[in-house]
Amino acid sequence: EVQLVESGGGLVQPGGSLRLSCEASGFTFSSYWMTWLRQAPGKGLEWVANIRRDATKIYYADSVKGRFTISRDNAKNSLFLQMNSLRVDDTALYYCARDYSPQILGAFYDAFDMWGQGTMVTVSS
Amino acid sequence: AIQMTQSPSSQSASVGDRVTITCRASQDIGNELGWYQQKPGRAPKLLIYAASTLQTGVPSRFSGTGSGTDFTLTISSLQPEDFASYYCLQDANYPRTFGQGTKVEIK
Repeated sequence: EVQLVESGGGLVQPGGSLRLSCEASGFTFSSYWMTWLRQAPGKGLEWVANIRRDATKIYYADSVKGRFTISRDNAKNSLFLQMNSLRVDDTALYYCARDYSPQILGAFYDAFDMWGQGTMVTVSS
Repeated sequence: AIQMTQSPSSQSASVGDRVTITCRASQDIGNELGWYQQKPGRAPKLLIYAASTLQTGVPSRFSGTGSGTDFTLTISSLQPEDFASYYCLQDANYPRTFGQGTKVEIK
């Protein structure tokens, strides 16, 4: 079955750390860019970070730059998000998503065609 | 960062109605825009990428238009399963940015 399964969420105090994982199955993980996104309770979607197939390119949202680190292990079909210096406003459901990067007339586009079910991160004292 | 302004924030509509949602970018993003649908308690679903290309399996009542700074998602005849929230996402520049979302509710 083709799926993404996130884990690692939980309750953490402000200033603390968490490491999220996303395990992929049913497809060739190493062939895809991967992305982390999040959604605060009752709020909209926020793009967090992404990583190229071979991890040679990584990008972050301004809100997490310097605090979060995205990484991947293609041998283990896994994506990670190391979150440090957590703040109350990092509280959200964190999704990992596959970007199949369709190409049209030589241009590549983001297209998150597969999502996990999400893992909840709560930052509170 | 590119700002994406989506409107309306919510819309009441009936089954069979034509629904239009707009997204405006703070700068030219070409056609690098996608649309996602999200139902309560579910992960988002890709509807459209490259502003107008329908994702495989998405019903043809969904369509996307626009380029530059102004984009539109249209549902030609609203179905019961279309009551959901919709988000635009620009993929022209990093960081990627979403619109605030539009909740389509039953009238």
